[in-house]
Amino acid sequence: DGGITQSPKYLFRKEGQNVTLSCEQNLNHDAMYWYRQDPGQGLRLIYYSQIVNDFQKGDIAEGYSVSREKKESFPLTVTSAQKNPTAFYLCASSYGQGYFSNGYTFGSGTRLTVV
Amino acid sequence: QKEVEQNSGPLSVPEGAIASLNCTYSDRGSQSFFWYRQYSGKSPELIMFIYSNGDKEDGRFTAQLNKASQYVSLLIRDSQPSDSATYLCAVNGVRNVTYKYIFGTGTRLKVLA
Repeated sequence: DGGITQSPKYLFRKEGQNVTLSCEQNLNHDAMYWYRQDPGQGLRLIYYSQIVNDFQKGDIAEGYSVSREKKESFPLTVTSAQKNPTAFYLCASSYGQGYFSNGYTFGSGTRLTVV
Repeated sequence: QKEVEQNSGPLSVPEGAIASLNCTYSDRGSQSFFWYRQYSGKSPELIMFIYSNGDKEDGRFTAQLNKASQYVSLLIRDSQPSDSATYLCAVNGVRNVTYKYIFGTGTRLKVLA
């Protein structure tokens, strides 16, 4: 079955540590996205990628980095520069973009906690 | 004014009733509209999308779009306790930005058995 796999499901980060969240899809989607969800707030876009080897900053990219070396994979690194990383992180993909997109498919999410 | 607004709820309806969830958006030029359901602790899942004015039905769900009044609604007929979740409205094309969706904060629905 096609889908998006995020790992790990839970992640604990110590102060000053970088951590990487994995996102893999086998839907043959070109576009991939990373969103962050905090209680009482809508999903906020961190980074997105429309094609392999290209990615763009979203609304809250500071303290995060990504790569898109393969169509299937879009890992997110939360660096020590991100001062408030505790959140639910969602990876998504879509077949098209904008008006031609039929919506995102989301992964199951990674819950990151600073300890 | 927020770009996409939803009442946070909770909206409580008895089992078997119609649940009506509303979403308003600020940009008249917005192009496409999506409803997602999110169970507590889980990721959002797409229920349906709508592009054109009017109604679109899929099983127990009906999306209604009124571009003149800038709102989109989701009706859930014969509500079941398993429909209890947070419903997110997402809009594409706000301020001509098409590479992302703008999400509302969601409405929590409680269906009472």
